[in-house]
Amino acid sequence: AAGVIQSPRHLIKEKRETATLKCYPIPRHDTVYWYQQGPGQDPQFLISFYEKMQSDKGSIPDRFSAQQFSDYHSELNMSSLELGDSALYFCASSLNTVEQFFGPGTRLTVL
Amino acid sequence: DQQVKQNSPSLSVQEGRISILNCDYTNSMFDYFLWYKKYPAEGPTFLISISSIKDKNEDGRFTVFLNKSAKHLSLHIVPSQPGDSAVYFCAASDGGGGSQGNLIFGKGTKLSVKP
Repeated sequence: AAGVIQSPRHLIKEKRETATLKCYPIPRHDTVYWYQQGPGQDPQFLISFYEKMQSDKGSIPDRFSAQQFSDYHSELNMSSLELGDSALYFCASSLNTVEQFFGPGTRLTVL
Repeated sequence: DQQVKQNSPSLSVQEGRISILNCDYTNSMFDYFLWYKKYPAEGPTFLISISSIKDKNEDGRFTVFLNKSAKHLSLHIVPSQPGDSAVYFCAASDGGGGSQGNLIFGKGTKLSVKP
């Protein structure tokens, strides 16, 4: 079965640079979620979209923005990167269920 | 403040025995609870969930028990297998059972099943 696809899998950036992470949900899933997991931490909810509209917002910094496109894929844009942004970024998708299905994650390293 | 707590960072169990992973929560508005398994370099994989109107849900070797009065849930794996070795995350949702609620995770418990 098709799973959530995230790209890139690894990304290295310098401080103050920008990064764009992409997420392709499971086909027909209408809700996309973004989570950030720091080293040794639990995944923290950032933002979610339902039918291309932002549906909920968590602890997402103002330097970050996201959107969901007409084909339901989503992009997380991160600007003015800081060392503390180094983390695993997970995308998850769902369709009318509380169960969310996660992608493999993007590991972002900010130098 | 951590709303979902997994107080045991690690657990070691012999193959064939029962693994019991515990989770406590503080928010009485949570109405769904989920367990995820995570291998290194992979995303969390959904295992099993339970609605707050139930006290038990079983799926094969995995059973989740919910004690609402104690705000406590546990995941039982029996019999445990070496392939079960992973980090297990407890998560909670207040989304009313639909897809609008985000998940709040515990910090995870690393399970090691020894042959």
